[in-house]
Amino acid sequence: AQSVTQLGSHVSVSEGALVLLRCNYSSSVPPYLFWYVQYPNQGLQLLLKYTSAATLVKGINGFEAEFKKSETSFHLTKPSAHMSDAAEYFCAVSKGAAGNKLTFGGGTRVLVKP
Amino acid sequence: EAGVTQFPSHSVIEKGQTVTLRCDPISGHDNLYWYRRVMGKEIKFLLHFVKESKQDESGMPNNRFLAERTGGTYSTLKVQPAELEDSGVYFCASSQARTSGGVQETQYFGPGTRLLVL
Repeated sequence: AQSVTQLGSHVSVSEGALVLLRCNYSSSVPPYLFWYVQYPNQGLQLLLKYTSAATLVKGINGFEAEFKKSETSFHLTKPSAHMSDAAEYFCAVSKGAAGNKLTFGGGTRVLVKP
Repeated sequence: EAGVTQFPSHSVIEKGQTVTLRCDPISGHDNLYWYRRVMGKEIKFLLHFVKESKQDESGMPNNRFLAERTGGTYSTLKVQPAELEDSGVYFCASSQARTSGGVQETQYFGPGTRLLVL
């Protein structure tokens, strides 16, 4: 069975500071990994995905994530937080070809302080 | 291009009543998924349609939940009778047919239906 752990249900960062959201996964097969963002009153929007190509994945809005197999991690970063980054972020894993359902972590809510 | 739409956006019902949620996927998307997030918990998979067929319904909690996708277009999720623990946000997502080689297609999510059972 697959699982995803997001460390920290709430993260507070200052505007302009580094955003780091942690995600660790477990998977019995090579995983496909995703980060989604949910802004207030909206659906989940894909930020980026890892599908066994480059281990450093760049996404929208200046976010990127690095797949580290040895650490079973897929942490999300952004060098400089903006007020508009306030949202809830979800890490998810899929088996890909073996089954497309997503297994999500618990989510991390990001608060950006001016 | 219109995204995934869900109706209603909110629903408040009493325990024992019936509620039907609707999802309209992106046009041309064969895959349709239902997920649910109960308050304070993670988003969990409910089931997956490929066109009108149920590909995987391993996440359906019990037989009070019935999902249909007649004609392979929109889908409905009926809860009958609703219980208090069914409260949460129900998300629908859709994706195109799987590419050759089985590469994971991006799932596009709707805004969700917020269900409150009193």
